[in-house]
Amino acid sequence: DVKVTQSSRYLVKRTGEKVFLECVQDMDHENMFWYRQDPGLGLRLIYFSYDVKMKEKGDIPEGYSVSREKKERFSLILESASTNQTSMYLCATTGGLRQFFGPGTRLTVL
Amino acid sequence: RKEVEQDPGPFNVPEGATVAFNCTYSNSASQSFFWYRQDCRKEPKLLMSVYSSGNEDGRFTAQLNRASQYISLLIRDSKLSDSATYLCVAKGELSNFGNEKLTFGTGTRLTIIP
Repeated sequence: DVKVTQSSRYLVKRTGEKVFLECVQDMDHENMFWYRQDPGLGLRLIYFSYDVKMKEKGDIPEGYSVSREKKERFSLILESASTNQTSMYLCATTGGLRQFFGPGTRLTVL
Repeated sequence: RKEVEQDPGPFNVPEGATVAFNCTYSNSASQSFFWYRQDCRKEPKLLMSVYSSGNEDGRFTAQLNRASQYISLLIRDSKLSDSATYLCVAKGELSNFGNEKLTFGTGTRLTIIP
């Protein structure tokens, strides 16, 4: 079974801090994704990557950046965290038609 | 208008009943459709793909109506364990580099009552 892991389940940061969210997959998949999920808004795509060092903006990339130095690892970076970035962050990878999600990181920015 | 729209619910249904959800999509170029299930405080997991001819998996039936641009999910003989949020997903919108993206609905919350 595909395993997608995220570095933290819960994270609390202060406004202005730089935040790193890490995601690792063990299935050698090329495509990886970062979403945020908010009540009433559903899952929204932030960034995705279809190969090492390749990235593409999703629907809401503002305030975020990403890094994909190795195939198995996809990092989401909040350069200067703000309170409106408080959310559930979900990493995913695609195998065939199916997306496999990590357990999520609930980030609170104070 | 949202690209994928669902009734958020909640749907409170007695155990053993049949319940159906609909979902509409706006991008007529979408090629593939899915239902995902998300339990409280958990990640979404694929429930089933939706095929043009309709498909069934045990108590679950999914259908696609391309003319009206909607998909449906029917759950028969509902169980307490079916309580979850059901996400409708469309695939086919292309990114700037030609990669296909998944577009998620906001989900329909279902609670099965004993």
